[in-house]
Amino acid sequence: DSGVTQTPKHLITATGQRVTLRCSPRSGDLSVYWYQQSLDQGLQFLIQYYNGEERAKGNILERFSAQQFPDLHSELNLSSLELGDSALYFCASSVSGGNNQPQHFGDGTRLSIL
Amino acid sequence: GIQVEQSPPDLILQEGANSTLRCNFSDSVNNLQWFHQNPWGQLINLFYIPSGTKQNGRLSATTVATERYSLLYISSSQTTDSGVYFCAVGWYGTASKLTFGTGTRLQVTL
Repeated sequence: DSGVTQTPKHLITATGQRVTLRCSPRSGDLSVYWYQQSLDQGLQFLIQYYNGEERAKGNILERFSAQQFPDLHSELNLSSLELGDSALYFCASSVSGGNNQPQHFGDGTRLSIL
Repeated sequence: GIQVEQSPPDLILQEGANSTLRCNFSDSVNNLQWFHQNPWGQLINLFYIPSGTKQNGRLSATTVATERYSLLYISSSQTTDSGVYFCAVGWYGTASKLTFGTGTRLQVTL
């Protein structure tokens, strides 16, 4: 058990809809990261938050947004969903914002767009 | 950006065999992690090893940062070792993101 909690585990929805994925980091971790794993793109970094502030952005679509709340949990919002958004979405957390420390991954949310 | 290459892409072993998985990266790193993705999709953190050698049971890993590669050794493989093994690196030239390799798919048969 990594200590990172993601909900829901599975999500099935239709094109054009909007969903919210939730992540609770390990106790004491200030940084949260979101990654997307799709069949054609592999595992890709989307966005990082550190102590409530956006720290780094990767290949995140404009239809996607995220935030980190004062209690440090994070949400990833995906809107105007397309078939190609079907993927496994992972949240990870680390103690601080630097990359010289391990990231701990949750079990992921599997999103299926019908 | 940094390039991460893993080899071999696929590996089939009989139970009890040993194997070595390789990860090459194209620039200096200050984070390197090995993960096992099991058939249920969970990413299990195996090692945080930006340099040096670590061992955990039947698994061990070595990173030679100056030569830009890391090796993951699996000894006495078991069917539960099946899945995909990913190497991921954190690069000095970026923020805190991990860049993942394309993985080695391992199948252990009886």
